[in-house]
Amino acid sequence: KAGVTQTPRYLIKTRGQQVTLSCSPISGHRSVSWYQQTPGQGLQFLFEYFSETQRNKGNFPGRFSGRQFSNSRSEMNVSTLELGDSALYLCASSHLARSYEQYFGPGTRLTVT
Amino acid sequence: AQSVAQPEDQVNVAEGNPLTVKCTYSVSGNPYLFWYVQYPNRGLQFLLKYITGDNLVKGSYGFEAEFNKSQTSFHLKKPSALVSDSALYFCAVNTGTASKLTFGTGTRLQVTL
Repeated sequence: KAGVTQTPRYLIKTRGQQVTLSCSPISGHRSVSWYQQTPGQGLQFLFEYFSETQRNKGNFPGRFSGRQFSNSRSEMNVSTLELGDSALYLCASSHLARSYEQYFGPGTRLTVT
Repeated sequence: AQSVAQPEDQVNVAEGNPLTVKCTYSVSGNPYLFWYVQYPNRGLQFLLKYITGDNLVKGSYGFEAEFNKSQTSFHLKKPSALVSDSALYFCAVNTGTASKLTFGTGTRLQVTL
């Protein structure tokens, strides 16, 4: 079974721009969660989507948003990028029946200049 | 609110020696506990989990962890460390009712010859 895939793997953007990251979960997994990893703040939960609905949200500003499609693929968007948004963005998927067991993708490394 | 503490930023151990990476947690209700490992420029790889049952949990690559409810701890252990075990280790918790994981700050394990 293929694992969680994330595209692109690396991205460089300029302050003020917006960015969209994509995540394809493991086949059969309907829950997708997003996390931000930075050296200063560590791993922080952004949001979770299940059946195209946001089910849970972390403490991030409204510039961070996401969505999920009917095939469970998910995208997250960050608008008006700030230098502090530079981070590794990790996506994780889980099965409905075992939502606590999450499998992570390799991440997208976003650099904001 | 749930939280995880990993009191050591780095653990150094010689190859062949036993290793312990410490983790304590705070959560309302029964904890679901996890250990993940991260290699450079990679996502998180699942090592093991405690949901219920036997307090000693065995996982991937020879790692194990002991759940101690009275001390609210879930320390990661391995009887004989390998140089290839050198990586960043994260302890995480949730209550099993949602996918949101709360992570510790991570412990860098350095295994030397």
